[in-house]
Amino acid sequence: QKEVEQNSGPLSVPEGAIASLNCTYSDRGSQSFFWYRQYSGKSPELIMFIYSNGDKEDGRFTAQLNKASQYVSLLIRDSQPSDSATYLCAVNMDAGGTSYGKLTFGQGTILTVHP
Amino acid sequence: EAGVTQFPSHSVIEKGQTVTLRCDPISGHDNLYWYRRVMGKEIKFLLHFVKESKQDESGMPNNRFLAERTGGTYSTLKVQPAELEDSGVYFCASSQVRDTGELFFGEGSRLTVL
Repeated sequence: QKEVEQNSGPLSVPEGAIASLNCTYSDRGSQSFFWYRQYSGKSPELIMFIYSNGDKEDGRFTAQLNKASQYVSLLIRDSQPSDSATYLCAVNMDAGGTSYGKLTFGQGTILTVHP
Repeated sequence: EAGVTQFPSHSVIEKGQTVTLRCDPISGHDNLYWYRRVMGKEIKFLLHFVKESKQDESGMPNNRFLAERTGGTYSTLKVQPAELEDSGVYFCASSQVRDTGELFFGEGSRLTVL
């Protein structure tokens, strides 16, 4: 079983729709969760982070965390063609450690938003 | 402000040769990370520097990999001798604050070992 699992997709949604990206993780003690966006050939870019159970909203993006279910999701409202990219779920599983930037990544979900 | 820069963007070498990858973090970022993505797999942690010190090198695959960060500024990752399975994209990331996973990534150095 992978430590961080994502549906690789591709996930295809029409412009203006809500895109829902999901991620599960294996380490129940994990404390911090991140969503990175990566355009083809470019650097991963942090778009959302969440540390507490519940929802966190930033513009068109909402991150949702359920630690009991070991589940984190990203919702993109009013999806635009420019949102087409690979979305990487990353989890810090180094609880109690000293390397907070030591992230465990999922394989990423490819999102395509079509006009 | 310049982002994280990596050089070279692409390197093609033969098995047994040596390659050195360089990363320049964002100015003032004490924390520097190396990650790697091999074909078809997820991005994996290699190591973490705080300034010039190795904080965590638990992800380094074997002793053919040597990372340095002399002076606490730029970092190099040397692979010697390179093997076929070392092919992939090597990412560098940096952060100003130690206790965060909010990282700034470079565009990566693609290594192809033939």
